[in-house]
Amino acid sequence: DTAVSQTPKYLVTQMGNDKSIKCEQNLGHDTMYWYKQDSKKFLKIMFSYNNKELIINETVPNRFSPKSPDKAHLNLHINSLELGDSAVYFCASSQDAGSGANVLTFGAGSRLTVL
Amino acid sequence: GQNIDQPTEMTATEGAIVQINCTYQTSGFNGLFWYQQHAGEAPTFLSYNVLDGLEEKGRFSSFLSRSKGYSYLLLKELQMKDSASYLCADYKLSFGAGTTVTVRA
Repeated sequence: DTAVSQTPKYLVTQMGNDKSIKCEQNLGHDTMYWYKQDSKKFLKIMFSYNNKELIINETVPNRFSPKSPDKAHLNLHINSLELGDSAVYFCASSQDAGSGANVLTFGAGSRLTVL
Repeated sequence: GQNIDQPTEMTATEGAIVQINCTYQTSGFNGLFWYQQHAGEAPTFLSYNVLDGLEEKGRFSSFLSRSKGYSYLLLKELQMKDSASYLCADYKLSFGAGTTVTVRA
């Protein structure tokens, strides 16, 4: 039973296309996140949702749109893909919204390659 | 994150000890985390410090000094499987760039 699962694991697409990555957690956590890890391995937070409400929205192009239909799911839709969007996108979840020992459980990552 | 600094790379020998330092400048400090990330895999939680001092968990220990804005992760009795990237993160979930540790036989 995978705690945080995201699909697809690999995604190769052309510039200008629109794509989505889905994430689901079965841990009963209240908060979910999207992180981007670039080629330099730098892990940067993009968005966070607590009980379906957006609580963290970092400086990210508005081509990126998260959607949380319920607290167990957080999807990421990307419009008009650009070369610089190539990265590994990690979904994560935590019990609380970040006021203390907020341990993150990560999904396996989705490697996006834009050609 | 821009407010978290750690060395880029470290190399050590199997059986040795390695100390990975992390300095941070986070307002309203409320804890510091260490994560391990093997190549091609997701980060996994190692430790959390909110009070000054050393927290020991088997071969891995983490230390925090809030007055100095400083933490370190100590890996003892290094094994080949410890070769990975070690990420320092603040309570705001901003991560450092990670320290790649290579363990050599």
